[in-house]
Amino acid sequence: NAGVMQNPRHLVRRRGQEARLRCSPMKGHSHVYWYRQLPEEGLKFMVYLQKENIIDESGMPKERFSAEFPKEGPSILRIQQVVRGDSAAYFCASSSSAGWYEQYFGPGTRLTVT
Amino acid sequence: SQELEQSPQSLIVQEGKNLTINCTSSKTLYGLYWYKQKYGEGLIFLMMLQKGGEEKSHEKITAKLDEKKQQSSLHITASQPSHAGIYLCGADIQAGTALIFGKGTTLSVSS
Repeated sequence: NAGVMQNPRHLVRRRGQEARLRCSPMKGHSHVYWYRQLPEEGLKFMVYLQKENIIDESGMPKERFSAEFPKEGPSILRIQQVVRGDSAAYFCASSSSAGWYEQYFGPGTRLTVT
Repeated sequence: SQELEQSPQSLIVQEGKNLTINCTSSKTLYGLYWYKQKYGEGLIFLMMLQKGGEEKSHEKITAKLDEKKQQSSLHITASQPSHAGIYLCGADIQAGTALIFGKGTTLSVSS
């Protein structure tokens, strides 16, 4: 059973470009969470999605960031007009249900904005 | 404000020694998760604790959740170089949503 997959693993973007990060949850998992890990900081929750629904986006910056989890295909975190402060490791996790279920993390996408 | 405090922030132990990492919350936890992260890599799930007083073990790692469900400890027995990494505790403080995380404890094991 393949784990959570993320791609690309490393992404370099110039300021002003768009970044698209993909996450394929574990087989059978329908809940996806995105987290961001900034240098010298801990993991911070961004958004929680189920298939075709955003459940909680309280950790998502109000502008330039969006996320989706379509009926078919991976979940996508999109960052428009990237700035240097967006450089971070972005992790996605998946679980089979909400709440008291194990969340398994992908290897992360390391975004560098130059 | 930081809702999950981990201590110590970093730890260097000699191979074969035991060690304990603590995770404390100001709020009651619905679930407490321990993960290990190698520098520059993803998080590896270690254990999840849900009930007050619960204790789980895997190989040489034991995790406990106190009765009040506000503090957890991770204990490693007879540490090995393979235990080196960053240990993160994550918690459900609001049932059914995403986790909040401590800042991590960096463990180094010298041989």
